[in-house]
Amino acid sequence: AQSVSQHNHHVILSEAASLELGCNYSYGGTVNLFWYVQYPGQHLQLLLKYFSGDPLVKGIKGFEAEFIKSKFSFNLRKPSVQWSDTAEYFCAVNANFGNEKLTFGTGTRLTIIP
Amino acid sequence: DSGVTQTPKHLITATGQRVTLRCSPRSGDLSVYWYQQSLDQGLQFLIHYYNGEERAKGNILERFSAQQFPDLHSELNLSSLELGDSALYFCASRPGLANSYNEQFFGPGTRLTVL
Repeated sequence: AQSVSQHNHHVILSEAASLELGCNYSYGGTVNLFWYVQYPGQHLQLLLKYFSGDPLVKGIKGFEAEFIKSKFSFNLRKPSVQWSDTAEYFCAVNANFGNEKLTFGTGTRLTIIP
Repeated sequence: DSGVTQTPKHLITATGQRVTLRCSPRSGDLSVYWYQQSLDQGLQFLIHYYNGEERAKGNILERFSAQQFPDLHSELNLSSLELGDSALYFCASRPGLANSYNEQFFGPGTRLTVL
């Protein structure tokens, strides 16, 4: 069974600080990896995704993530955060074949202080 | 706007009651997924339908059931409601069954409050 760990439950940063949110997954086969963002009161929106190819993936709003297969990690980064990045961030995986349900991490609440 | 719609936005009901949540997928999407988001369980997969057929079940209680209709909209039925069923219920849609580099697009959710 797949599992996802997000070690940072709540992160507080000042504007312009750099961000890195950790995500580790557990699965024996090939996976697809995703980061979703949930702004207050809104639905989940896709930030970026990895299926194959270049392990450094660029997403929307200046976010990027790096897939490191040997570490089973897919950490989310942004060089300079803005107040509008305040939201909850979810890492998710699904199997490359078979059941395509998304398995989510517990989420990281990001608070940006102006 | 993801193109996935869910109704109602909010639902307040009493224990023991039954409710139906509705989801309309993006135009042309054949797969519909239901997820439950609660404070204690996080985001959990409930069930997946593809073109009217159930494809996979997650941690879905026996009191819950779902179906996908010929027009591809889906309904999630929750019965004998308990306080612990209070949660945000999301549906998501995706174009196809095969792995085709497509992500799931999420609807705005239905917030269910059981009193």
